[in-house]
Amino acid sequence: KQEVTQIPAALSVPEGENLVLNCSFTDSAIYNLQWFRQDPGKGLTSLLLIQSSQREQTSGRLNASLDKSSGRSTLYIAASQPGDSATYLCAVRSAGNNRKLIWGLGTSLAVNP
Amino acid sequence: DTAVSQTPKYLVTQMGNDKSIKCEQNLGHDTMYWYKQDSKKFLKIMFSYNNKELIINETVPNRFSPKSPDKAHLNLHINSLELGDSAVYFCASSQWRLPNTGELFFGEGSRLTVL
Repeated sequence: KQEVTQIPAALSVPEGENLVLNCSFTDSAIYNLQWFRQDPGKGLTSLLLIQSSQREQTSGRLNASLDKSSGRSTLYIAASQPGDSATYLCAVRSAGNNRKLIWGLGTSLAVNP
Repeated sequence: DTAVSQTPKYLVTQMGNDKSIKCEQNLGHDTMYWYKQDSKKFLKIMFSYNNKELIINETVPNRFSPKSPDKAHLNLHINSLELGDSAVYFCASSQWRLPNTGELFFGEGSRLTVL
């Protein structure tokens, strides 16, 4: 049974720092992995999607990596800004027939000016 | 242009009432979902429809009934509302049929408060 864990649960950093959010999963048979952000009282915004055959994806200051063999993905945020403050969620889509999506509980990030 | 839109955004109602939440996507996706996010912010899949057919139905009370008139719409009807139904309900869509990325797009959420 696939389980997704995100560490740390909460993170507070000063503005300008580079930071890494971690997502680990127990079953390497995945279809893809997706990172989202959720702002308070808002919906989820897709940040990056990594297919199982890919090693990383980049969008602006964000870089997500995927290592299926070790069951890990990291989201790297460069030069963090107060506007990056949000909850970051990792979701793993299984490679089974129903391609079920398994969610982590998220990392709550606060970037302080 | 809103990709996944759901209405209403806020819904306050009394226990025992029946209410509906509507969802529409203009992304041309063939799969739509309803998620429930509780007070602890945990996201839980409720239903998934692919081309108007139910493909995922998690353990959800029978009081919840999804309806998909076409692949661009997935509505959620809730009968006999209970206090524990208070949550934010999110609609989402993705493309299931190959070639697809499976990327999931969410609506803004509908916050339901049952008094």
